[in-house]
Amino acid sequence: AQSVAQPEDQVNVAEGNPLTVKCTYSVSGNPYLFWYVQYPNRGLQFLLKYITGDNLVKGSYGFEAEFNKSQTSFHLKKPSALVSDSALYFCAVRVGSSNTGKLIFGQGTTLQVKP
Amino acid sequence: DTGVSQDPRHKITKRGQNVTFRCDPISEHNRLYWYRQTLGQGPEFLTYFQNEAQLEKSRLLSDRFSAERPKGSFSTLEIQRTEQGDSAMYLCASSFQISAVADTQYFGPGTRLTVL
Repeated sequence: AQSVAQPEDQVNVAEGNPLTVKCTYSVSGNPYLFWYVQYPNRGLQFLLKYITGDNLVKGSYGFEAEFNKSQTSFHLKKPSALVSDSALYFCAVRVGSSNTGKLIFGQGTTLQVKP
Repeated sequence: DTGVSQDPRHKITKRGQNVTFRCDPISEHNRLYWYRQTLGQGPEFLTYFQNEAQLEKSRLLSDRFSAERPKGSFSTLEIQRTEQGDSAMYLCASSFQISAVADTQYFGPGTRLTVL
C-alpha cells in the first residue's frame, strides 16, 4: 500500500536555527511528493513539490526539501527558522496514474519555533 | 481574492439532518477534489472531478454522501442523515491538469462541520 509517514508529532526549534521536518514515503512507481502548511482554522497552503530532476527543491517562504530515493525520504528544511513558521506541516504523495490525482497525506508535524 | 472558496465556513447541525457544502474552485481549474480532515489527522481523500465528471470516490464516501459539479465549475457536497462521526473539516481543492506531470492542488479554507 502507498503511504506517507511523518515520524515526529512535534518539532521544537529556536528562532534563527535551522529546522528539519521529516517525511518518508512508500509508493510503487515514481513518487510525486508535496509539502503543505496549515495555520489554525485555515486550509492547507502549498509549499513545494518534487516531480523529477534536481533532488533539492526550493519552495515558498524560504523552505526547501531534499528528495532521497535510496532512503525514500523527502525532508523539509529551512536554514533559519522564524516564529511565524510555527504551524502544522503535512507531507503528501500523489498516487496512481495521471488520471488519478488524489493525495495521500501524512499525519502531520507541528512545528514550534520559540523566540 | 482568486483562491478556492468554501461556504459555509462553519456548520452546526443536529444528528439526522442533511447538510450541503459549496466549493468554488480557482477559475479555469479543471479538477476539483474533496477531502475530510479530523482532529489530529491528515486530510483523507473523498472524491474528485475532472470538469463535470466524477472520476473517483473513496470508500469513505458512504451512500449518505453525494457530490456534484454540474457545470464543471463549483461543486457541492451533501451529507444526508448526518451522524456524529461526520464531524470534521471538509476541504476542497482545485488544480489545472493538462499533462501527466503532477498538478498542484490548491486548498480552500474548509468547512468545519459539527454534528450534535
